[in-house]
Amino acid sequence: DGGITQSPKYLFRKEGQNVTLSCEQNLNHDAMYWYRQDPGQGLRLIYYSQIVNDFQKGDIAEGYSVSREKKESFPLTVTSAQKNPTAFYLCASRRDRGPEAFFGQGTRLTVV
Amino acid sequence: LAKTTQPISMDSYEGQEVNITCSHNNIATNDYITWYQQFPSQGPRFIIQGYKTKVTNEVASLFIPADRKSSTLSLPRVSLSDTAVYYCLVVETGANNLFFGTGTRLTVIP
Repeated sequence: DGGITQSPKYLFRKEGQNVTLSCEQNLNHDAMYWYRQDPGQGLRLIYYSQIVNDFQKGDIAEGYSVSREKKESFPLTVTSAQKNPTAFYLCASRRDRGPEAFFGQGTRLTVV
Repeated sequence: LAKTTQPISMDSYEGQEVNITCSHNNIATNDYITWYQQFPSQGPRFIIQGYKTKVTNEVASLFIPADRKSSTLSLPRVSLSDTAVYYCLVVETGANNLFFGTGTRLTVIP
């Protein structure tokens, strides 16, 4: 089945540690996105990528890093510089400039 | 990029038609409007997209007046399962960034 897969579903991290969230898609989409969602809030764009080896900052990129070495994969690293990383993280992909973005099921990150 | 404004929340009884209006006063000529639905702890799901006038699919209708400064998502005969957050996005043609706002939290009451 075609789709977008995020893993893990739940992730616990100790303060001061970096952690990487996985996002893989087999839809052959060019564009991929990472969003953060806090309880009761909307989605905020962290990073997006239009093609391999290229990515752009969104509204809240500080404390996060990404890579796009393969078209199918767009991992997000939450670094220790991110002051309040506990949140729900969503990855999405979209055909180049197409109307519809497809989302993964999300990763809930908790800092303990 | 055109900023969007939506009501924070709405309540409706089952079986009623619900209309959610989104304001986008600064929409550009090449921008189009899309709507997404999000259930708790899930990623948003695309509902509908339009440029002008009216678009209808099996889920909803989208009404866009001639000046395109607003749009209205219409959900016919809502059920409890339509309780969700609905996001209006203005998408710039040719651009790949996608910005979601805070959305409208719709609660359907039995």
